Amino acid sequence: DGGITQSPKYLFRKEGQNVTLSCEQNLNHDAMYWYRQDPGQGLRLIYYSQIVNDFQKGDIAEGYSVSREKKESFPLTVTSAQKNPTAFYLCASSQGRSSYNEQFFGPGTRLTVL
Amino acid sequence: AQTVTQSQPEMSVQEAETVTLSCTYDTSESDYYLFWYKQPPSRQMILVIRQEAYKQQNATENRFSVNFQKAAKSFSLKISDSQLGDAAMYFCAYRSPTGTASKLTFGTGTRLQVTL
Repeated sequence: DGGITQSPKYLFRKEGQNVTLSCEQNLNHDAMYWYRQDPGQGLRLIYYSQIVNDFQKGDIAEGYSVSREKKESFPLTVTSAQKNPTAFYLCASSQGRSSYNEQFFGPGTRLTVL
Repeated sequence: AQTVTQSQPEMSVQEAETVTLSCTYDTSESDYYLFWYKQPPSRQMILVIRQEAYKQQNATENRFSVNFQKAAKSFSLKISDSQLGDAAMYFCAYRSPTGTASKLTFGTGTRLQVTL
């Protein structure tokens, strides 16, 4: 079945550590996105990529980094520079560059900083 | 920058009744796309319905329909014959047209409870 997978489902990290969240899609979509979800704030865009080897900052990119070496993979690294990383992280993908194309979401990763 | 506002943090509806969730947005663009997403307790985001701004006809998907008022920048979601499975967070989202940043701007969500 086609879809988006995110791993791990739950992630715990000590302060000062970098951590990488995985996002893989087998939908053959060109574009991929990372969102952060906090209580009462909806989803906010961290980074997005419309094509392999290219990505752009979203609204809250500080303290995060990404790579897009393969079409199907878009990992997100939460660095120690991110001051408040505890949140729910959602990865999404869409086909092509048309804005009308639906974004499909993964099941999410819950990151907790201890 | 575009903003999306959902002024109802929580709503409640009885099973089989109809409920309307409100959404307003602010934009200077004339062409754009609007979406309603559902997030059940599993936290999986599911697209409910979408609307293209240049289309005057309101979108409909089975029990879900929208009331799109472009001049008022309003995009409400109506759920008819509510079911227990409709209980979830509902997010309204805005998307700019092709050629610009193809990101979604979300509202803060409305939690819908469905009672017997």
